[in-house]
Amino acid sequence: AQSVTQPDIHITVSEGASLELRCNYSYGATPYLFWYVQSPGQGLQLLLKYFSGDTLVQGIKGFEAEFKRSQSSFNLRKPSVHWSDAAEYFCAVGAKGNTGKLIFGQGTTLQVKP
Amino acid sequence: DAGVIQSPRHEVTEMGQEVTLRCKPISGHDYLFWYRQTMMRGLELLIYFNNNVPIDDSGMPEDRFSAKMPNASFSTLKIQPSEPRDSAVYFCASRNAGKNTEAFFGQGTRLTVV
Repeated sequence: AQSVTQPDIHITVSEGASLELRCNYSYGATPYLFWYVQSPGQGLQLLLKYFSGDTLVQGIKGFEAEFKRSQSSFNLRKPSVHWSDAAEYFCAVGAKGNTGKLIFGQGTTLQVKP
Repeated sequence: DAGVIQSPRHEVTEMGQEVTLRCKPISGHDYLFWYRQTMMRGLELLIYFNNNVPIDDSGMPEDRFSAKMPNASFSTLKIQPSEPRDSAVYFCASRNAGKNTEAFFGQGTRLTVV
């Protein structure tokens, strides 16, 4: 069965420090992968997506993610975190058939210390 | 485009009452999804439509839940009768059928059943 695991429920980093959020997936074929961000009381906003091609994907707000098939991972990174990045981050895999149906991880809450 | 529009943003109702959540997808999008977000279960897909036709409702928890899409610009999710365990944030999302496209989410409806 398809699944997504985000091992870190909560992460705290200092402003200006680098960030890496982990995501591992289980999928029987080449996956479609996404990272969404949710600010308190808001909907989900797409940060970046991977469908095929270059395994290093650039997104909005200075985020990037790297697809590593051998590790079944799609970790999200940012070189320097800003206080406004504090939010909840969700990794998701697109279900088979490219319907757009998403299977989400449990989310990682990012706290940024001044 | 104004994005995916959901109403109401907040709903408080008493147990046993009927609740109707509404969604207007982005114009031209072929797929519409209803997700539910809870602390215990995270984000889970309830049902999705393609060209106004329900395709997969396997995530609908019980017969108390029903969803309709009478036209391309409107969908409802109804709970009758509502129960306290239905309290959650309900998200609607839409996507067009083109290749390598992502789902866009509404702001969500926070439902509280007392």
